[in-house]
Amino acid sequence: QQPVQSPQAVILREGEDAVINCSSSKALYSVHWYRQKHGEAPIFLMILLKGGEQKGHDKISASFNEKKQQSSLYLTASQLSYSGTYFCGTLSSNTGKLIFGQGTTLQVKP
Amino acid sequence: DTAVSQTPKYLVTQMGNDKSIKCEQNLGHDTMYWYKQDSKKFLKIMFSYNNKELIINETVPNRFSPKSPDKAHLNLHINSLELGDSAVYFCASSQETKPYEKLFFGSGTQLSVL
Repeated sequence: QQPVQSPQAVILREGEDAVINCSSSKALYSVHWYRQKHGEAPIFLMILLKGGEQKGHDKISASFNEKKQQSSLYLTASQLSYSGTYFCGTLSSNTGKLIFGQGTTLQVKP
Repeated sequence: DTAVSQTPKYLVTQMGNDKSIKCEQNLGHDTMYWYKQDSKKFLKIMFSYNNKELIINETVPNRFSPKSPDKAHLNLHINSLELGDSAVYFCASSQETKPYEKLFFGSGTQLSVL
């Protein structure tokens, strides 16, 4: 079952904040976040394991609420380099079958 | 050195042809994957191999056949290409198939079937 991301698209000015949400209908082992720039490969951002932990990577952080089967990605003081499509991927078992959401396109303008 | 490399980067071919995409990783990882990304950017897993053994085989047409000669290589052969096969195909690898292992993606192969 594919996780659902919201919003589908976001347009920001440099320095503004954004939140991208990811919801699953299945119990999750972990949530993965990737960013893909146009014409390039997806690049790993972070993994969150069940336990409600929050992680950070520079000014990008994420949380995982395993009871609600939801994760949120927080982008603070966005930079032009943050532009791209963000994918959440969910693992509902330990089979390694990472299922990606439909993606959220983020555009940061000067 | 590129961690996960795919060839070719672009593949343009006619319907009905057979083509192959090659993938190699130099990270020493045990697990490799093929993902398909369609025009709507939907990334869908197709296959996964762990130490040359097939562990994930999604509902992919039999025309698609992965082959892993060793754990550093995972190739994808496609028979009788159809228009709907047009997409970007990404190879990826991870250390193991555990919930906390990150994927390293290749740069993708843009397949266009005419």
